[in-house]
Amino acid sequence: AQKITQTQPGMFVQEKEAVTLDCTYDTSDPSYGLFWYKQPSSGEMIFLIYQGSYDQQNATEGRYSLNFQKARKSANLVISASQLGDSAMYFCAMRGTTSGTYKYIFGTGTRLKVLA
Amino acid sequence: GAVVSQHPSWVICKSGTSVKIECRSLDFQATTMFWYRQFPKQSLMLMATSNEGSKATYEQGVEKDKFLINHASLTLSTLTVTSAHPEDSSFYICSAIRQVDQPQHFGDGTRLSIL
Repeated sequence: AQKITQTQPGMFVQEKEAVTLDCTYDTSDPSYGLFWYKQPSSGEMIFLIYQGSYDQQNATEGRYSLNFQKARKSANLVISASQLGDSAMYFCAMRGTTSGTYKYIFGTGTRLKVLA
Repeated sequence: GAVVSQHPSWVICKSGTSVKIECRSLDFQATTMFWYRQFPKQSLMLMATSNEGSKATYEQGVEKDKFLINHASLTLSTLTVTSAHPEDSSFYICSAIRQVDQPQHFGDGTRLSIL
C-alpha cells in the first residue's frame, strides 16, 4: 500500500527564517514522484516542487528545496527566508501506481504560520 | 505556465438540484484529469480519475451514479453532482496533467453548499 505521512499538523516560523516541513512516504513502486503543493486560505492548490525517484540531485525552485532521502523514504520541504505570504497549508503528495494505474495520494497537510 | 480553469467557484442551491462543475485545461491538452473532494481542514480525497474518451475510474466508496464524470475532450472534464443533498456540501477541486511524470495543475476549486 502507498502512504504519505505528514506528522506536523501546524508549524510556526519567524519571518526571514528557514523552515522544514516533514514528509515521509511508503511505496513498493521502483518509480514514483513526490510533489509539494501550497494551499492558501483561498483554496487553490499551487504546485511548488517535484522530485522524481530516480533524480540524483535534490530539487530546488527558488526559495523551495526538497530534501530527498530515498533510503529513509523522506521528502522534506525546506522554505528559506520565510515570508508572510508563505502562511498556508502545505501538502506533500506522491504519484505511484496501483494495479497498473497511476495514483496520486496526498498527506494530511501542515499548516504553516509565518510570524512578523 | 499550465492553467486549469474551474467553474463555477461557488454554488449555493436547494436540496435535490443537480450541479455541474466544469474543469478546463486552458493552455495544454490533458491526458488525465482528477476530481477531488476536500472537507474543511482536511486533505484532498481523490474521487475519480478521468481520461478523455473513456469512463472515469472511481475510487472505492464514491457513488458513480451520484457523481457523474464526463471527459468529452482533452481540455474539458465535468463533474455533475446529481440530486445533491446537504451532505454533498464540500469543496470540490479538479486537476489536470499533460503526462504522467509531470505535476498536477489544479483549478481554483468549487465550494458547493446545498441547503
